[in-house]
Amino acid sequence: ILNVEQSPQSLHVQEGDSTNFTCSFPSSNFYALHWYRWETAKSPEALFVMTLNGDEKKKGRISATLNTKEGYSYLYIKGSQPEDSATYLCVFDRGSTLGRLYFGRGTQLTVWP
Amino acid sequence: GAVVSQHPSRVICKSGTSVKIECRSLDFQATTMFWYRQFPKQSLMLMATSNEGSKATYEQGVEKDKFLINHASLTLSTLTVTSAHPEDSSFYICSAKPGRQTEAFFGQGTRLTVV
Repeated sequence: ILNVEQSPQSLHVQEGDSTNFTCSFPSSNFYALHWYRWETAKSPEALFVMTLNGDEKKKGRISATLNTKEGYSYLYIKGSQPEDSATYLCVFDRGSTLGRLYFGRGTQLTVWP
Repeated sequence: GAVVSQHPSRVICKSGTSVKIECRSLDFQATTMFWYRQFPKQSLMLMATSNEGSKATYEQGVEKDKFLINHASLTLSTLTVTSAHPEDSSFYICSAKPGRQTEAFFGQGTRLTVV
């Protein structure tokens, strides 16, 4: 069984607060690490696909880092806004030719105005 | 970006009936699509890999006779829950990747309630 662990499970913050989540994954057979944002009643939306150890990616107020040697990734949100409220999924990709992915349980973020 | 469309988004059916869920890739061809199920407070769990033109590959513990998968074209996979029971009530979602080095694209998901 391949475990992808995310913490915390849920998070409630005030508008303007910065926050971060953790994802841990196996350090072997690594191909890529995906972060998705999943709003209620919508499809999960890809935020980042990270492949190289030490990668740092940024999209607006959201950024992510990757450490493949120790098997963890952090997702940061600076100055959280109510529209950031969603579940953030971490997904491990072993690079199989079929494209199979392994999901964490997600971190549910609620940003209060 | 690529789009995967899944229908219906919600379905309520009587115990013993069958329900079909469709997953379409709208702007790319997908030789492989994936079907996931999510129970409350759990992660998305892979049920089966749908292969165009051949039999689906099911994960351990998933009954292939209950969850029929058909992938008849490069843009459509269907999941049929046969003789549904209340314990089949769950959230089902499909995904596909246009290529190996890309992110996956997901359907909107289907909330199935069996009464």
